[in-house]
Amino acid sequence: DSGVTQTPKHLITATGQRVTLRCSPRSGDLSVYWYQQSLDQGLQFLIQYYNGEERAKGNILERFSAQQFPDLHSELNLSSLELGDSALYFCASSVGASGGDKQFFGPGTRLTVL
Amino acid sequence: GESVGLHLPTLSVQEGDNSIINCAYSNSASDYFIWYKQESGKGPQFIIDIRSNMDKRQGQRVTVLLNKTVKHLSLQIAATQPGDSAVYFCAENAWEAGTALIFGKGTTLSVSS
Repeated sequence: DSGVTQTPKHLITATGQRVTLRCSPRSGDLSVYWYQQSLDQGLQFLIQYYNGEERAKGNILERFSAQQFPDLHSELNLSSLELGDSALYFCASSVGASGGDKQFFGPGTRLTVL
Repeated sequence: GESVGLHLPTLSVQEGDNSIINCAYSNSASDYFIWYKQESGKGPQFIIDIRSNMDKRQGQRVTVLLNKTVKHLSLQIAATQPGDSAVYFCAENAWEAGTALIFGKGTTLSVSS
């Protein structure tokens, strides 16, 4: 158990809908990262928050957004969902901001868009 | 032990063999590297990391080697066990590039007893 929690474990929804994925980092970690894992693209970095502020951005679509709250948990919002958004979404956390720290991953949320 | 060249998607070994999984990274500015293990249905699990000022680091049954000249990273697993069966990913970080971890394609390790 990495100490990172994610809810829900599974999510099934329809095209055009909006969903919210939630992540709680390990105790003491200030950074939260979101990754998408699909069969054809592998693990791709989406976005990082550090202590409530956006720190780095990767291949995140404009339909996706995230935030980190004062208690350091984070939410990833996915809207206008398309079939191709079906994937595993992982959250990771680390102590520092630089990205050069060990990142510990949660168990993931499996999103299926029908 | 079983050794492979540059990235192969799968590696099959016998229990007790030593395994070597290779990874070519992309950015010469990368200064931090991690190996993760991912079992089916689970999130990536941290195995070992290494910074660019080192060329070797050892953990419990695992060793990571870094060759910056050819931008190559390898993970050696000693006395491979069936529980080591998983997908192994290398990841690099080049913070000055403003990115977080960039993951490689992954190698599926199958250990037969």
